[in-house]
Amino acid sequence: AQSVSQHNHHVILSEAASLELGCNYSYGGTVNLFWYVQYPGQHLQLLLKYFSGDPLVKGIKGFEAEFIKSKFSFNLRKPSVQWSDTAEYFCAVNTNYGGSQGNLIFGKGTKLSVKP
Amino acid sequence: DGGITQSPKYLFRKEGQNVTLSCEQNLNHDAMYWYRQDPGQGLRLIYYSQIVNDFQKGDIAEGYSVSREKKESFPLTVTSAQKNPTAFYLCASSLTGRSPLHFGNGTRLTVT
Repeated sequence: AQSVSQHNHHVILSEAASLELGCNYSYGGTVNLFWYVQYPGQHLQLLLKYFSGDPLVKGIKGFEAEFIKSKFSFNLRKPSVQWSDTAEYFCAVNTNYGGSQGNLIFGKGTKLSVKP
Repeated sequence: DGGITQSPKYLFRKEGQNVTLSCEQNLNHDAMYWYRQDPGQGLRLIYYSQIVNDFQKGDIAEGYSVSREKKESFPLTVTSAQKNPTAFYLCASSLTGRSPLHFGNGTRLTVT
């Protein structure tokens, strides 16, 4: 069965530190890739997505992610985090290319805590 | 404002009772979804609907039922057959089956 792995359950950083959250998936075919973010007390929202083209994708609030097909990875990065980045981050993969998003599989999430 | 409205925010029920969670969207999206979020488990798909009067089971559909009589509404019923109903339930919608999801604020259901 397809799965999505997020390597870290909880990451604690100081402001201005660099961030990289790992995401790996297990599916050999074409995929659409997403990162969603859930700020405290708010609803889940899309951070960035990859469908095709340039494997380096830029999202909102200075986040970016790189799709490395050979490694089945879609890691999320930010050069310098802020306290306001404290949130839970979910990687998601749609394995039914061109079809239903009912096949969207989420990772278990990574909580990011940024110390001021 | 366009968006997804889930109500109520908190819901309490006694074991053995069915309960229905409301989800309404005014985004004119075709697809709607129900997820369950448990600590450390991520989001797991319960049911989804690509179009009115049609829906499919997700990964954990047992003990749940849905209907899609109107484009803007996708209510979820948690039946007494659901063994662990206490959870945070998220409704989402998307323009098409491949578009990013828009989420509601969720309903936290507690069954005692």
